[in-house]
Amino acid sequence: QKEVEQDPGPLSVPEGAIVSLNCTYSNSAFQYFMWYRQYSRKGPELLMYTYSSGNKEDGRFTAQVDKSSKYISLFIRDSQPSDSATYLCAMRVNYGGSQGNLIFGKGTKLSVKP
Amino acid sequence: ETGVTQSPTHLIKTRGQQVTLRCSSQSGHNTVSWYQQALGQGPQFIFQYYREEENGRGNFPPRFSGLQFPNYSSELNVNALELDDSALYLCASSLKVQRDTDTQYFGPGTRLTVL
Repeated sequence: QKEVEQDPGPLSVPEGAIVSLNCTYSNSAFQYFMWYRQYSRKGPELLMYTYSSGNKEDGRFTAQVDKSSKYISLFIRDSQPSDSATYLCAMRVNYGGSQGNLIFGKGTKLSVKP
Repeated sequence: ETGVTQSPTHLIKTRGQQVTLRCSSQSGHNTVSWYQQALGQGPQFIFQYYREEENGRGNFPPRFSGLQFPNYSSELNVNALELDDSALYLCASSLKVQRDTDTQYFGPGTRLTVL
């Protein structure tokens, strides 16, 4: 079993739809959870950063972490064609663990159609 | 504030050759991490450098080596290139405070093709 599982998609939605992306993980030591957006042939761009369980909202984006279920989600409201990209979840343990290296999911490719 | 930069953008090498990739960290950051991203996969951690020393390593063989310089920029060296080394190589910089490492910000990557 991989440490982080993420459905690679592709996921295609109409403009304006609510998008739900998620990852599951197996390592209960993970404390920091991130979502990165990666456009084709570009580096990942940090979207959301969450510590431990709970919700975090930033504009059209909401990140949720459920540590009891080892499950994280990213919701995108009022999706736009410019949101078309690959979304990568990433997580890491607290200090003293793996020196802060990130463990990534495979990424979900999202396409928002006008 | 200058972001993370990497050079070159693209590189084509043949099997058995050696390659050096370069990264300039974001202003104010003291830690550089390198990741390999194969096509259709998430990035995989290669190693991290802090205060010019390797500070954690992923599951990569010793032919993957690196350096960090006093200005916090970094190099990734790969010897005896194999076809499977073809990938996007990403550099991420962050600010390490005490033993923890803050958020990692990625550069645009270097796309390496091994023929």
